[in-house]
Amino acid sequence: GAGVSQTPSNKVTEKGKYVELRCDPISGHTALYWYRQSLGQGPEFLIYFQGTGAADDSGLPNDRFFAVRPEGSVSTLKIQRTERGDSAVYLCASSLDSSTDTQYFGPGTRLTVL
Amino acid sequence: KQEVTQIPAALSVPEGENLVLNCSFTDSAIYNLQWFRQDPGKGLTSLLLIQSSQREQTSGRLNASLDKSSGRSTLYIAASQPGDSATYLCAVKAGTYKYIFGTGTRLKVLA
Repeated sequence: GAGVSQTPSNKVTEKGKYVELRCDPISGHTALYWYRQSLGQGPEFLIYFQGTGAADDSGLPNDRFFAVRPEGSVSTLKIQRTERGDSAVYLCASSLDSSTDTQYFGPGTRLTVL
Repeated sequence: KQEVTQIPAALSVPEGENLVLNCSFTDSAIYNLQWFRQDPGKGLTSLLLIQSSQREQTSGRLNASLDKSSGRSTLYIAASQPGDSATYLCAVKAGTYKYIFGTGTRLKVLA
C-alpha cells in the first residue's frame, strides 16, 4: 500500500488478556515509531526502531509492553496482562531513515480494555 | 523534563479569518519542531517542519515560526476555510529519536 497501515483498527479485550497490534510501514522506510494517544491528549512516544533494532524504548510504560520488528519492516506491539488504563489509540509512524524527520502516520488501533 | 503546551485548547472562527495557534516548550535544546494536523479518527499529517537553526517555514496558507530562546512557536493560518477544521498538534524533537507532543488545539472554521 501507499501509506502506513495498522491492524486491527479496533480491538476490545478484557482486563488481563494479551494483545498484539500490527504496523505495516511504508515500503523502504527503515525508521518506525510507536505512540500512544489517550483521549484529549497528544501522542506519547513509546519506542523507536531503526531497522530491526529498538534504538530508543524509553517511552514504554512498563515491562508489560514489548515491541518487535524482526525483519526491519512490519512491527508488532505486544501488551501483556492488559489493564483498563491501557485503553487508548496506538499510533504507528514511519520515516525514510534516521536522518529524515518527516513521519508518516497510520490511522491507529483503538484499544479498549474492559 | 521537556513539556509542550498549546494554547488555546479550542478555537472557533468564521471562514476567512486569519488565525494564530501557539505552542510553547520548556527546554530550548530541541533538534526541530513540527506542526501536525489530525482529523477525527485519523492519523497525523505533517504540515511544517522547522529545524532548530531556522526561524520559519511556509507552505501555502500556513506559516510556522520558531523562537528557540523563548521556547515558542506559532502556526499562522491565513484566510481560514471550513476544510481547515481539525486538531493541530505541535511536537518537538527532544532527543535523537524522541518527539514530545502538545495536547493540541481543536480548530473549527464556520462556513
